[in-house]
Amino acid sequence: AQKITQTQPGMFVQEKEAVTLDCTYDTSDQSYGLFWYKQPSSGEMIFLIYQGSYDEQNATEGRYSLNFQKARKSANLVISASQLGDSAMYFCAMREGISSGSARQLTFGSGTQLTVLP
Amino acid sequence: KAGVTQTPRYLIKTRGQQVTLSCSPISGHRSVSWYQQTPGQGLQFLFEYFSETQRNKGNFPGRFSGRQFSNSRSEMNVSTLELGDSALYLCASSLEWGRNTQYFGPGTRLTVL
Repeated sequence: AQKITQTQPGMFVQEKEAVTLDCTYDTSDQSYGLFWYKQPSSGEMIFLIYQGSYDEQNATEGRYSLNFQKARKSANLVISASQLGDSAMYFCAMREGISSGSARQLTFGSGTQLTVLP
Repeated sequence: KAGVTQTPRYLIKTRGQQVTLSCSPISGHRSVSWYQQTPGQGLQFLFEYFSETQRNKGNFPGRFSGRQFSNSRSEMNVSTLELGDSALYLCASSLEWGRNTQYFGPGTRLTVL
């Protein structure tokens, strides 16, 4: 079974509007971390935001926020006020066992290609 | 602070050859991970090192190997290259092993002819 599922292969958003990129995950661990990365066409993976499974509050970093719904096992990325430079591939990732001393590998979803329209 | 650096950035090899890719982590970071990215398979984990010890290993054949040095720099080696090894190889470093965020380098684009 897929550990990270991103169901939107491609998304379009108008400049200055908000957009939500979906991510659901599958784990039986209690301790895990969720990450979002952005990959522009240049290829470099850029870290955006992190949410720990025990974090009570949803993470925010500037225009990025993570809508964490633990019971539904979802960790959607919300980008507010989209900019042309936000056009890129976005990956959701999970790392299990982060507090156990035996952290497992970082596992990525298949990504969502976001295009911001002027 | 300088980011993760990877050398070389581009590489062209022929089938059967071997290749070594290098990764220098962010200063102070002690954990290094390697990933292979292809259009068909997406991002796949290769291996992860911390304090010169392999902590996690992905599902790749034995032709893929890696190591980490005492200064935390890491290398990965692919022997007997196949056409399917053509990919972007990404290295990421983190402060410690476990909960810390991984920061990625620009990648090495390997083309096997």
